[in-house]
Amino acid sequence: EVQLLQSGGGLVQPGGSLRLSCVASGFSFSTYAMYWVRQIPGKGLECVSGINNDATGPAYADAVKGRFTISRDNSKNTLYLQMNNLRAEDTALYYCAKRRDAHGSKWAHFDYWGQGTLVSVSS
Amino acid sequence: EIVLIQSPATLSLSPGERATLSCRASQSVSSYLAWYQQKPGQAPRLLIYDASNRATGIPDRFSGSGSGTDFTLTISSLEPEDFAVYYCQQRSIWPTFGQGTKLEIK
Repeated sequence: EVQLLQSGGGLVQPGGSLRLSCVASGFSFSTYAMYWVRQIPGKGLECVSGINNDATGPAYADAVKGRFTISRDNSKNTLYLQMNNLRAEDTALYYCAKRRDAHGSKWAHFDYWGQGTLVSVSS
Repeated sequence: EIVLIQSPATLSLSPGERATLSCRASQSVSSYLAWYQQKPGQAPRLLIYDASNRATGIPDRFSGSGSGTDFTLTISSLEPEDFAVYYCQQRSIWPTFGQGTKLEIK
């Protein structure tokens, strides 16, 4: 059974930092690109960042570029999101998500999602 | 950025009825469009990928169609568990999602 278990959210002041983690099991983690998608409570979904299976090609939404860093450790089956210089508008539920297909020239659809972790940025 | 507009915002139907949800893209996404279902307190669930392919374990009452800029998700006969929010998502360029359609019980 595929599982994505997230941790690391919480309350932080504007300008602060947090690191999210997502531990994968039930599939060959090193084969699949992984992503972070966020959702403002009661609102829609926004893809924040993605990384290839071999940790190359990190990509970011414009809203977080230069502040967030995605990484992965395939030896630990773990995906990370380092979030620096957090702003109030970063307040959201953050999901890690697995790319549906192992290979492809386009970006991803997401077939498995973590349980979500809440990040609140407030003074 | 490709903007996805979903309609209607809210759809009120009864169990057993047919549901038709629409998603329109601001530019062509070819067939690179997915549909997700989200229930309160849960993560989104992939229903349809690449416009018309059902994801693993998805009942055949769910079907997707369309290409280019206009897409449709059809639920042939609504079950009580189908009432939820539905999102479309494109992967032609950086992934973006529609704003969602809430399917509610009439």
